[in-house]
Amino acid sequence: GIQVEQSPPDLILQEGANSTLRCNFSDSVNNLQWFHQNPWGQLINLFYIPSGTKQNGRLSATTVATERYSLLYISSSQTTDSGVYFCAVVRYGGSQGNLIFGKGTKLSVKP
Amino acid sequence: GAGVSQTPSNKVTEKGKYVELRCDPISGHTALYWYRQSLGQGPEFLIYFQGTGAADDSGLPNDRFFAVRPEGSVSTLKIQRTERGDSAVYLCASSLPGQVQDTQYFGPGTRLTVL
Repeated sequence: GIQVEQSPPDLILQEGANSTLRCNFSDSVNNLQWFHQNPWGQLINLFYIPSGTKQNGRLSATTVATERYSLLYISSSQTTDSGVYFCAVVRYGGSQGNLIFGKGTKLSVKP
Repeated sequence: GAGVSQTPSNKVTEKGKYVELRCDPISGHTALYWYRQSLGQGPEFLIYFQGTGAADDSGLPNDRFFAVRPEGSVSTLKIQRTERGDSAVYLCASSLPGQVQDTQYFGPGTRLTVL
């Protein structure tokens, strides 16, 4: 099956710093989403981005489908950004409901 | 409006018992998904419903796991003869396929502990 690899696995930032999280995937996809799981376990959808670039406030994401990777940028990080960031994909031609998640990047933002 | 809700939030049971986990999707969402998340891992797909029928149940680990959605809204995940390895957080999500690019909205999860 399709492999989803995220890096780095852990990241510690000082408040106000910027960061880039990476997601590599091993096969073509027709659905890619970024999620934030807060320290209480709630998963929040950040972006649906199978290709191209999107921005939402301090967050932006870029997916280069032909090169099979996606990047999530966090600018001017805040302590509330802490948690685990997951990339999830649906393999091209696969069941649209079957999101395959990476293992996540655990982000800790220190005040 | 209200988000996806799941009950109970926590369930502790003994090995060999039967459990039911409930999911109430966002009103009007036709698609419903179940995932399982073990500590330190990403969610793992279990089953996906489109309306009342299971469109993809390829993630169910074995025949002890079963899920229903009889009226196309609320869903119940049923686990028979629970094992300690079933301990995890069970997440439910819903979406409007074809709308909002199939964005899945997740509930808070049910933490299942099998003793």
